[in-house]
Amino acid sequence: DAKTTQPPSMDCAEGRAANLPCNHSTISGNEYVYWYRQIHSQGPQYIIHGLKNNETNEMASLIITEDRKSSTLILPHATLRDTAVYYCIAHRNAGNNRKLIWGLGTSLAVNP
Amino acid sequence: KAGVTQTPRYLIKTRGQQVTLSCSPISGHRSVSWYQQTPGQGLQFLFEYFSETQRNKGNFPGRFSGRQFSNSRSEMNVSTLELGDSALYLCASRREQGHEQFFGPGTRLTVL
Repeated sequence: DAKTTQPPSMDCAEGRAANLPCNHSTISGNEYVYWYRQIHSQGPQYIIHGLKNNETNEMASLIITEDRKSSTLILPHATLRDTAVYYCIAHRNAGNNRKLIWGLGTSLAVNP
Repeated sequence: KAGVTQTPRYLIKTRGQQVTLSCSPISGHRSVSWYQQTPGQGLQFLFEYFSETQRNKGNFPGRFSGRQFSNSRSEMNVSTLELGDSALYLCASRREQGHEQFFGPGTRLTVL
């Protein structure tokens, strides 16, 4: 599985868009990019995933560069409840030998 | 639909003891993965079980083991506990070929 790199922390004003970057320069063609977040003392929560195309759901948008070496998670209108640690991981969806490498993520603080 | 449940939620053990943690996946999910989360190392993948077979394994010593039952419930066992095993142990389930992992609340293990 590809290793991902994220900034350790970010700040965002409430109501503004939060743009969280992730570098996955060693990603291979069949590996997806997944985003999860973890609010203090809870288990991680799935946000969104993508392979090549940009994706959007009710929680967020995922923008993947054309060379697939990096991506950005966008929370369009951040609220205080979006304060959490955000994890970007890259791996194949199925099969053996998935190592599921999670880093330390980005700690996002949404400020009033 | 009930979420992923983990028992116990909190556990205190002493060095040298062993511990068994339990995870009940969402009904219909046959894949169960286990993770260890510590402040310094972040989320680390332990192993994944699918239909009672271990499908993937992370880089942990043999003291960490697991199993899955025919009803998809899973247990993980840690023998000869060390102080460094103190962590939040998370379990996640997903549908076969599903992208989204659903995490439980975790078991907080403290080794004294």
